[in-house]
Amino acid sequence: SQELEQSPQSLIVQEGKNLTINCTSSKTLYGLYWYKQKYGEGLIFLMMLQKGGEEKSHEKITAKLDEKKQQSSLHITASQPSHAGIYLCGAPFSGGYQKVTFGTGTKLQVIP
Amino acid sequence: KAGVTQTPRYLIKTRGQQVTLSCSPISGHRSVSWYQQTPGQGLQFLFEYFSETQRNKGNFPGRFSGRQFSNSRSEMNVSTLELGDSALYLCASSLGTSGGEQFFGPGTRLTVL
Repeated sequence: SQELEQSPQSLIVQEGKNLTINCTSSKTLYGLYWYKQKYGEGLIFLMMLQKGGEEKSHEKITAKLDEKKQQSSLHITASQPSHAGIYLCGAPFSGGYQKVTFGTGTKLQVIP
Repeated sequence: KAGVTQTPRYLIKTRGQQVTLSCSPISGHRSVSWYQQTPGQGLQFLFEYFSETQRNKGNFPGRFSGRQFSNSRSEMNVSTLELGDSALYLCASSLGTSGGEQFFGPGTRLTVL
């Protein structure tokens, strides 16, 4: 079984709509990364959360870490076609912050 | 500041051959991690090098090896290639300290025929 499960697996939204992607861990979270990937390309760093209850925002993307629930959520407000891609959460479970276990990914399509 | 660079971007090899991939981290970063991404297994950690020493290792066979040079550039080698080694290989660079952000390169797409 996956240590990090993301939901939904895929999402199609109309431009301008809000959406939320969840990342649930089967282990205690000591930190969590969110990345975005265009198909077949490298990962773009979005943000890193390190403390329970921590919330960070960048432009129209907000992420929150809920350690008690071993879960993180990524929320996009007023989605745009440029938000389309695959969103990945990742966590350092052991071996330090450079050894990251990644989630299953959420594919987002934004329809103009 | 230049980002993480990986060469080559694309490679085609045949079974049984070996391959070497290169990664140049962001200037000042001492840690380089390597990942394999496939449709079936997703993104999996291979190993991490810090100051020329392997600091972490994932669950991959010994055919996968790496090294890091004094300028922090890293190479990854895969020997006796198998069809299942076809994947996107990504490297990530960071300062190497606790809580450090990891920045990824564009990846090398390896196809094994």
